[in-house]
Amino acid sequence: DSGVTQTPKHLITATGQRVTLRCSPRSGDLSVYWYQQSLDQGLQFLIQYYNGEERAKGNILERFSAQQFPDLHSELNLSSLELGDSALYFCASSVDAGGDNEQFFGPGTRLTVL
Amino acid sequence: AQSVSQHNHHVILSEAASLELGCNYSYGGTVNLFWYVQYPGQHLQLLLKYFSGDPLVKGIKGFEAEFIKSKFSFNLRKPSVQWSDTAEYFCAVNFGYSSASKIIFGSGTRLSIRP
Repeated sequence: DSGVTQTPKHLITATGQRVTLRCSPRSGDLSVYWYQQSLDQGLQFLIQYYNGEERAKGNILERFSAQQFPDLHSELNLSSLELGDSALYFCASSVDAGGDNEQFFGPGTRLTVL
Repeated sequence: AQSVSQHNHHVILSEAASLELGCNYSYGGTVNLFWYVQYPGQHLQLLLKYFSGDPLVKGIKGFEAEFIKSKFSFNLRKPSVQWSDTAEYFCAVNFGYSSASKIIFGSGTRLSIRP
């Protein structure tokens, strides 16, 4: 158990819909990261937040957005969903924001878009 | 563009065999290097990491990795694998700096161990 929690574990929805994925970081960690893992794209970094502010952006689509709240939990919003958005979405957290930080991963949310 | 390559997509070994998984990255600057493992049905967890110092890094469960700067490589090794090492292994390179992360994961290597 990494100490990072994600809800829900599974999500099934239809194309065109919008969903919200939630992540709670380890106690004391200020930085949260979101990743998408799919069979064809592998593990892709989406976005990083640090203490409530966006810190780094990866391959995140415009249809996706995220935020980190004052209690440090984070939400990833996916809208206008397409079949290709079906994937495993991981959240990770670390103590600080820098590139030398070990990231602790959550169990993931499996999103299926039908 | 910055990239991370893991050339072995699927490796099949017998128990007690030696393991070496390749990882190469494209970049000439300072990087932070990681190997993560994902056991079946579990989340990713850190095996080992390299930031600076001794280029031979020891991790958990008998794994080690060697950073060869001239070859932009960070290969993972284990002298004798066990069935419980069956998992997917990801090399990750963080091209970021002190205030932000820019991590790129390799495509992963699936390791299957025959009992």
